[in-house]
Amino acid sequence: EPEVTQTPSHQVTQMGQEVILRCVPISNHLYFYWYRQILGQKVEFLVSFYNNEISEKSEIFDDQFSVERPDGSNFTLKIRSTKLEDSAMYFCASRWGQSQETQYFGPGTRLLVL
Amino acid sequence: QQPVQSPQAVILREGEDAVINCSSSKALYSVHWYRQKHGEAPVFLMILLKGGEQKGHDKISASFNEKKQQSSLYLTASQLSYSGTYFCGTEDPETSGSRLTFGEGTQLTVNP
Repeated sequence: EPEVTQTPSHQVTQMGQEVILRCVPISNHLYFYWYRQILGQKVEFLVSFYNNEISEKSEIFDDQFSVERPDGSNFTLKIRSTKLEDSAMYFCASRWGQSQETQYFGPGTRLLVL
Repeated sequence: QQPVQSPQAVILREGEDAVINCSSSKALYSVHWYRQKHGEAPVFLMILLKGGEQKGHDKISASFNEKKQQSSLYLTASQLSYSGTYFCGTEDPETSGSRLTFGEGTQLTVNP
């Protein structure tokens, strides 16, 4: 069964460093998402992406964040200058259609900022 | 605005039933239910589309009352494997990218 994959599974970085989290969505899906989950809290939406541009972003997704689909398969989230509060689990998700369709989540990247 | 889930936590013995509720103050396109085990990704359970339908899958079913903007997840004859945190994610017609907005989660523990 097709699935969303993410790399790396864990990332430890120093405050102020840049990190890139990578995702490979399910191949025929058209809509891509990043969510994050701070330990013990709920899943929070960061950004949605369709047709090579951002459809929507939350207030969390400030200028330090950017997303890109550099080729036909990868979808990346970049955090330019990490802060301690960026420590969280980051999930990529994808879906085929825009609405009323299942979003499939990847296994996540656990980011720890020291 | 995030949906409100209740209860926050529930402890069951194997074989018992549980109901988890999810309500929103906004009109909804759909409600998505996920289960998450500790340290893992949310796993999709089912999606409820507007229309008041009820869906089922094994001993887990759900309903969606569009008028009341509420959904309920029913777990029947619970198994140990049902333990985890259950999240409802709602989708509303006003967001262009159809994000899911998740509730705080309901922690379900099933004991032998």
